[in-house]
Amino acid sequence: NAGVTQTPKFQVLKTGQSMTLQCAQDMNHEYMSWYRQDPGMGLRLIHYSVGAGITDQGEVPNGYNVSRSTTEDFPLRLLSAAPSQTSVYFCASSYSPGRDTEAFFGQGTRLTVV
Amino acid sequence: DAKTTQPPSMDCAEGRAANLPCNHSTISGNEYVYWYRQIHSQGPQYIIHGLKNNETNEMASLIITEDRKSSTLILPHATLRDTAVYYCIVRNSGGSNYKLTFGKGTLLTVNP
Repeated sequence: NAGVTQTPKFQVLKTGQSMTLQCAQDMNHEYMSWYRQDPGMGLRLIHYSVGAGITDQGEVPNGYNVSRSTTEDFPLRLLSAAPSQTSVYFCASSYSPGRDTEAFFGQGTRLTVV
Repeated sequence: DAKTTQPPSMDCAEGRAANLPCNHSTISGNEYVYWYRQIHSQGPQYIIHGLKNNETNEMASLIITEDRKSSTLILPHATLRDTAVYYCIVRNSGGSNYKLTFGKGTLLTVNP
């Protein structure tokens, strides 16, 4: 049982490049989400999904796309990277979009856009 | 989501209890209080949550006041490995907006 797995752990991009951050969970969780964390800040929600085929925007969705074709995977796409997207990205999952469940987080992807 | 207020930092001696406070005066009746922590550069880790009653697990205890406007996370015997940022979060249970709203949390430093 690996939990929530994020790849890559580190990435450097040039401005304007695109890339996909991968997130996979093996706990059959319905709810998955992406957060970003900037220095000295708490986590901010980018996008989330309450099940396969269903996604929605969080607090800071601009510049990011997501899709959820399977229960296990929830990739985050940067369409045209900008220096403002330099951050640490965390993926999380939980059993269901209910109020009495805990979220499990991956170990993060550290992205630098130059 | 109800807003939470936490002190930015606290210190604790190793082996002593660490008591981390959180104010959530606008919490509504069906909202839970969750605590997570983030050890440097790692993903957040769930600690404990509660609605009204005090809760205890292998990691910590959660004390919620009777009016539910504040709570305290207690680490009974803090170790150096407990040095982390601790987040108090009120979970929105309404509609489809299920998300965790992280503030800046409390940086707990456990000293030898």
